[in-house]
Amino acid sequence: NAGVTQTPKFQVLKTGQSMTLQCAQDMNHEYMSWYRQDPGMGLRLIHYSVGAGITDQGEVPNGYNVSRSTTEDFPLRLLSAAPSQTSVYFCASQRTAGPTSNQPQHFGDGTRLSIL
Amino acid sequence: TQLLEQSPQFLSIQEGENLTVYCNSSSVFSSLQWYRQEPGEGPVLLVTVVTGGEVKKLKRLTFQFGDARKDSSLHITAAQPGDTGLYLCAGRKTSGSRLTFGEGTQLTVNP
Repeated sequence: NAGVTQTPKFQVLKTGQSMTLQCAQDMNHEYMSWYRQDPGMGLRLIHYSVGAGITDQGEVPNGYNVSRSTTEDFPLRLLSAAPSQTSVYFCASQRTAGPTSNQPQHFGDGTRLSIL
Repeated sequence: TQLLEQSPQFLSIQEGENLTVYCNSSSVFSSLQWYRQEPGEGPVLLVTVVTGGEVKKLKRLTFQFGDARKDSSLHITAAQPGDTGLYLCAGRKTSGSRLTFGEGTQLTVNP
């Protein structure tokens, strides 16, 4: 079972460059999300999706775009990288979405991104 | 301002000691989860609590949800070096599935 797979594991960019962080899950989960993790700030939600074709903004969406054309894939795009986007990015999936859902989120192993 | 505040942020103890980590908020949550994260990996769910006053045990770990569903605690008995990691609490408000995470508690258990 692969679970949630994130690529690449590490990336260094220059300010102004763009790139796409890939996330794929093989559990047929409806709900997928992207977080960034910074020291002392826990995990902050960037964007999320409750199903194919549906995305919404999280807590810190500026500078990032997402799309969800299939159930399996949820790529995160950095439009013009800035040093403030240096962080560890985690993708997570959850079986279903819903107002009373108590399901666990399954996380990938993260992408460590440095912007110079 | 964090919606969920964890304390302490860092904890370094000796093997065999007991410890408690707290997760506090002024908001009510429909459920609260605790995750553990090891270096280079994503968080992994330990437990979900959904009822005010609920207590769940996972071997030497005891989790409690506050009566008003605004806070939670994690107690570890006789800590072992294998318990070392970042412990994160995360809550879901009464509407929506979005998880809100605390800042985390970095626990180091020294042999």
